[in-house]
Amino acid sequence: GAVVSQHPSWVICKSGTSVKIECRSLDFQATTMFWYRQFPKQSLMLMATSNEGSKATYEQGVEKDKFLINHASLTLSTLTVTSAHPEDSSFYICSAPTSGPGELFFGEGSRLTVL
Amino acid sequence: GDSVTQMEGPVTLSEEAFLTINCTYTATGYPSLFWYVQYPGEGLQLLLKATKADDKGSNKGFEATYRKETTSFHLEKGSVQVSDSAVYFCALRDNNDMRFGAGTRLTVKP
Repeated sequence: GAVVSQHPSWVICKSGTSVKIECRSLDFQATTMFWYRQFPKQSLMLMATSNEGSKATYEQGVEKDKFLINHASLTLSTLTVTSAHPEDSSFYICSAPTSGPGELFFGEGSRLTVL
Repeated sequence: GDSVTQMEGPVTLSEEAFLTINCTYTATGYPSLFWYVQYPGEGLQLLLKATKADDKGSNKGFEATYRKETTSFHLEKGSVQVSDSAVYFCALRDNNDMRFGAGTRLTVKP
């Protein structure tokens, strides 16, 4: 089946630095990808919808300048957490849809820890 | 807007016990319904799905039936195993994006 891969799986950074997380669809093209954030023992919160060739659509309350999303090609979307702070520490998960009302395929997730 | 409400956990069961995790939804259209499972430290994996009313999704001994009249998609398994310990998410997809329930943590003890 379709596979979505995220990199890195784990990242630890110092406060104030920026971190980039990549999300790739490995065997299919994805014009749309979704970025979620998951806090410990909580559900997934949709952060933004990444659109190939156009600007991302952000959910209410998500800072666009803080979480930069770029969908550079049909197989790659990136999330950059700029000027990271400890409160940005979280599990970030990307996903890509199949066509029609099908399921989403999820990446393995990236755990960010900001010191 | 669309939303999913699922049974709060945590749920702790003994091995071979019967499992039910309730899920109800609110949607304006005709969504597809899903159950995803998340093992510790991992992303989400699709467990089963149903795309229209009265469909039954099944996988690995888990089942859920799309009930339009009760707007429900309850997850069941007749005999759980220790390896089923995980967090289970009910979700719906209508149009494009997907909405998740809060998740239910299941722990199965030997």
